[in-house]
Amino acid sequence: DIQMTQSPSSLSASVGDRVTITCRASQSISSSLNWYQQKRGKAPKVLIYGASILESGGPSRFSGSGSGADFTLTISSLQPEDFATYFCQQSYSFPYTFGQGTKLEIK
Amino acid sequence: QVQLQESGPGLVKPSGTLSLTCAVSGGSIRSSNWWSWVRQSPGKGLEWIGEIYDGGATNYNPSLKSRVTISVDNSKNQFSLKLTSVTAADTAVYYCAKVGTSSWYVDHWGQGILVTVSS
Repeated sequence: DIQMTQSPSSLSASVGDRVTITCRASQSISSSLNWYQQKRGKAPKVLIYGASILESGGPSRFSGSGSGADFTLTISSLQPEDFATYFCQQSYSFPYTFGQGTKLEIK
Repeated sequence: QVQLQESGPGLVKPSGTLSLTCAVSGGSIRSSNWWSWVRQSPGKGLEWIGEIYDGGATNYNPSLKSRVTISVDNSKNQFSLKLTSVTAADTAVYYCAKVGTSSWYVDHWGQGILVTVSS
């Protein structure tokens, strides 16, 4: 299985901050990397797919980059509704696997 | 807008069978899409269980393959999950999901159902 490792596991930031979350795959996965946001008690919601494609209707402050094994999710200016947990997920090969999550908290 | 809703028992006895159904509304399950099950537990995080295509083809997570069956009922516009020989390790929130058409990612999720394995 391809292991997905996110860093950091948790992060404290303030409204307006620029935030970057990293996801590393245990092998190359081309651009088959998706990012999800999950709020407490809710299902995840896709933000970015194909490493850098913003899901339709998604806020433009979210962006994704990377290819191969190293990827980043950037939030350009944190908004109050962005405090949540973020997961990466590879769709390169079965079984599809997720990162352990990054919890973004208010400083 | 496609909506998905899980249903099934919230409590299953150890060694029993977990059976869940996902009702699809706002669209046909026969729409050339993959339909998937994902679970989430505090200990193992998010775990992809498997998926089914509207023609019946399936893919399963090898770690669960011997215990999992995903099926589709086109007449009821729903798909189902069966997981046999459950243990406490199968306690999780189970989500049904629709996979995107342009790339493999989940573009619609059910609200999730907590299934606890306990006697």
